[in-house]
Amino acid sequence: QQQVKQSPQSLIVQKGGISIINCAYENTAFDYFPWYQQFPGKGPALLIAIRPDVSEKKEGRFTISFNKSAKQFSLHIMDSQPGDSATYFCAARSQGGKLIFGQGTELSVKP
Amino acid sequence: EAQVTQNPRYLITVTGKKLTVTCSQNMNHEYMSWYRQDPGLGLRQIYYSMNVEVTDKGDVPEGYKVSRKEKRNFPLILESPSPNQTSLYFCASKPIALASDTQYFGPGTRLTVL
Repeated sequence: QQQVKQSPQSLIVQKGGISIINCAYENTAFDYFPWYQQFPGKGPALLIAIRPDVSEKKEGRFTISFNKSAKQFSLHIMDSQPGDSATYFCAARSQGGKLIFGQGTELSVKP
Repeated sequence: EAQVTQNPRYLITVTGKKLTVTCSQNMNHEYMSWYRQDPGLGLRQIYYSMNVEVTDKGDVPEGYKVSRKEKRNFPLILESPSPNQTSLYFCASKPIALASDTQYFGPGTRLTVL
């Protein structure tokens, strides 16, 4: 049973455009929502994270929007660049510290 | 340099031949974990360890074993590999304090079981 559902599976965006990746979760006990970025041949690396008492967090061109009532959160990449081309995973932390990952989104930013 | 290392990076083996993938971290992290990554399924946790001699099953533990005899090492053992264990495997570590939940991932091991 997938507790964190991520969409879309793949995304193509033109350089300078906005990339949006969405995640939905079921367990209201999740208390931490990170996004990981993975380049080909590399392990995932933490990109940005948010806690459920905050509705938005911004770091540079990357923003997480969090809707607690809808149990949804999303990653927005502003002014997308070819160097942002990677696979992105959302995740949610359950009680006890376990991270549950979404299915991943393969982002391609075209020049 | 703070890092998680895995060996080997690539492995092709045959059904039933026991293998071990090693994982080592130099950050003195208490928590270590193994994941497998498959297309369309994301990262799924196989086993994790909260500290030395403490291990527990993740979501997909069948066919795998782990041990945690030292804080820095967390090997993944496949006693009798099968083709459905063909996957990309990642080891990760993090400090146990909940305030810091950044997991540091290794570079991955691509395993093919024929």
